[in-house]
Amino acid sequence: KAGVTQTPRYLIKTRGQQVTLSCSPISGHRSVSWYQQTPGQGLQFLFEYFSETQRNKGNFPGRFSGRQFSNSRSEMNVSTLELGDSALYLCASVAGDGTDTQYFGPGTRLTVL
Amino acid sequence: GENVEQHPSTLSVQEGDSAVIKCTYSDSASNYFPWYKQELGKRPQLIIDIRSNVGEKKDQRIAVTLNKTAKHFSLHITETQPEDSAVYFCASRKSYQLTFGKGTKLSVIP
Repeated sequence: KAGVTQTPRYLIKTRGQQVTLSCSPISGHRSVSWYQQTPGQGLQFLFEYFSETQRNKGNFPGRFSGRQFSNSRSEMNVSTLELGDSALYLCASVAGDGTDTQYFGPGTRLTVL
Repeated sequence: GENVEQHPSTLSVQEGDSAVIKCTYSDSASNYFPWYKQELGKRPQLIIDIRSNVGEKKDQRIAVTLNKTAKHFSLHITETQPEDSAVYFCASRKSYQLTFGKGTKLSVIP
């Protein structure tokens, strides 16, 4: 099976812009979670989707949003970018059948200038 | 919300020695505890996990123990090798959400 894929791998944006990141889970997996990784805060949970429904959301401002499509692909959007949004954004794929193992994608490195 | 504390933040061991990393969690409803290894510039990779109905699990040189009463769990790596050098993260899961510790940078000195 192909692993979790994320596009793009690298992004450079300026403050005030918005960005959309994409994640394709492992084939057959129905759940996708998103995390932000920074040197200072570590890995922080953003949100989790299962069958197009957001089941849980972390403690991030409303500028961070996401969605999941019927083919389980997921996107996250960050509007009005701030310098502090520079981070590695990771998505994780879960089978969603009661198993818990999360498989991470390679991440999207976002730099906000 | 859930809080996960991880110690130590850095750990250096001689090749062949054992390494132990400890984590505590705050929410007794958490029921799944994975450990991830992240090498520089790469994605986190699951190395072992344990569920709340199990006290210990072993996979070759890696073992994890869980004490539900004390709400702590530990990673044990025996016979460490240079390729074990990486950052290790513990996590706890509740309500479809993983909460991670801050990580331990393990250096194995040849």
